[in-house]
Amino acid sequence: DAGVIQSPRHEVTEMGQEVTLRCKPISGHDYLFWYRQTMMRGLELLIYFNNNVPIDDSGMPEDRFSAKMPNASFSTLKIQPSEPRDSAVYFCASSQGTGAYNEQFFGPGTRLTVL
Amino acid sequence: SQQGEEDPQALSIQEGENATMNCSYKTSINNLQWYRQNSGRGLVHLILIRSNEREKHSGRLRVTLDTSKKSSSLLITASRAADTASYFCATDGNTDKLIFGTGTRLQVFP
Repeated sequence: DAGVIQSPRHEVTEMGQEVTLRCKPISGHDYLFWYRQTMMRGLELLIYFNNNVPIDDSGMPEDRFSAKMPNASFSTLKIQPSEPRDSAVYFCASSQGTGAYNEQFFGPGTRLTVL
Repeated sequence: SQQGEEDPQALSIQEGENATMNCSYKTSINNLQWYRQNSGRGLVHLILIRSNEREKHSGRLRVTLDTSKKSSSLLITASRAADTASYFCATDGNTDKLIFGTGTRLQVFP
């Protein structure tokens, strides 16, 4: 397996634009997590899915952020409209079984810069 | 909010020396995990220790857990330059998700 795949690896956009980040989890993993990492706030859990169903989105900063998982092999994180404070590295991770009891496999991340 | 706090924030050592990182957390847990992050990369799982375990080994890694003190330590023995990375502890806080600590940046000089 190729591991967790994220695209794009780098995204530079202007304030107000829509940004879509993509993730393909490891086949057979039933949990998918979206994280955001910044120097100031560290690694924050934004939302996670179990069997394609959003379970906890309490970490999503505000209504500008939305995430979907239309099937077991694909998830998106959308920011609309984007703001400079959204600049961060966004990671997708997946696990087989609940993330608390099983190791999570992280993708390489998407480095987002909002000008 | 972050559940775990690593100490020290940064650590510099010479190759061959041992590196010890500590993690303190706030609420009760089912298990605790340690991850490594190389610069510009995603996190990589190192080891998981359950709340009923006190010590676990994996290669040059040794993890201890003291639930009474709500703390854990990660020891890397005979460090190598390739161990240079940030190390994070993560706890579940009796939930389905992991909360990551602030991390320790380890620099190993050849």
